[in-house]
Amino acid sequence: EAQVTQNPRYLITVTGKKLTVTCSQNMNHEYMSWYRQDPGLGLRQIYYSMNVEVTDKGDVPEGYKVSRKEKRNFPLILESPSPNQTSLYFCASSFIGGEQFFGPGTRLTVL
Amino acid sequence: RKEVEQDPGPFNVPEGATVAFNCTYSNSASQSFFWYRQDCRKEPKLLMSVYSSGNEDGRFTAQLNRASQYISLLIRDSKLSDSATYLCVVNNWDTGGFKTIFGAGTRLFVKA
Repeated sequence: EAQVTQNPRYLITVTGKKLTVTCSQNMNHEYMSWYRQDPGLGLRQIYYSMNVEVTDKGDVPEGYKVSRKEKRNFPLILESPSPNQTSLYFCASSFIGGEQFFGPGTRLTVL
Repeated sequence: RKEVEQDPGPFNVPEGATVAFNCTYSNSASQSFFWYRQDCRKEPKLLMSVYSSGNEDGRFTAQLNRASQYISLLIRDSKLSDSATYLCVVNNWDTGGFKTIFGAGTRLFVKA
């Protein structure tokens, strides 16, 4: 089944404790992206990747890192999480310019 | 000004009604356009792509006006199951690559 998977689905952590949210797709998509969704603000792009080893900042990259060592994986790293990073996070993938397929979301709470 | 702006919601309509959503975008070089649907606490899913010639899929019709930088979605004969948030999405080629901009979404409630 073609899909985008994210883990964990729910995470509660404390300020400053490094965490990684994994994202994997099995559709051989070049393009992968991370978004955060907050009430009243909609989805905002954090980082995106056009292909392996090619990543770039979206609109809200501060406090996040990404890597794209393999085509299928695009982990999101929070080196030192803060409460303002409490949000719902979505990973997505697509062929460049095409329909994006989203993962089920990760609900993160930073205390 | 936001790069992608949508009608403020919510829209409350009875079953069977026709409802239209509008979306404007600010980057005249935008490349591709989509409408997504998002149910509460779920991931967004593609409803339809939007082409310059307009396109229709059953009860749904999407239009793109590049000159006015305007996208629309028309839903005919609304069903209870159409209740959701509708997201306007624009893809832009940027200096660094290919960015995706989402509108804030328009909430639709269809009532019996």
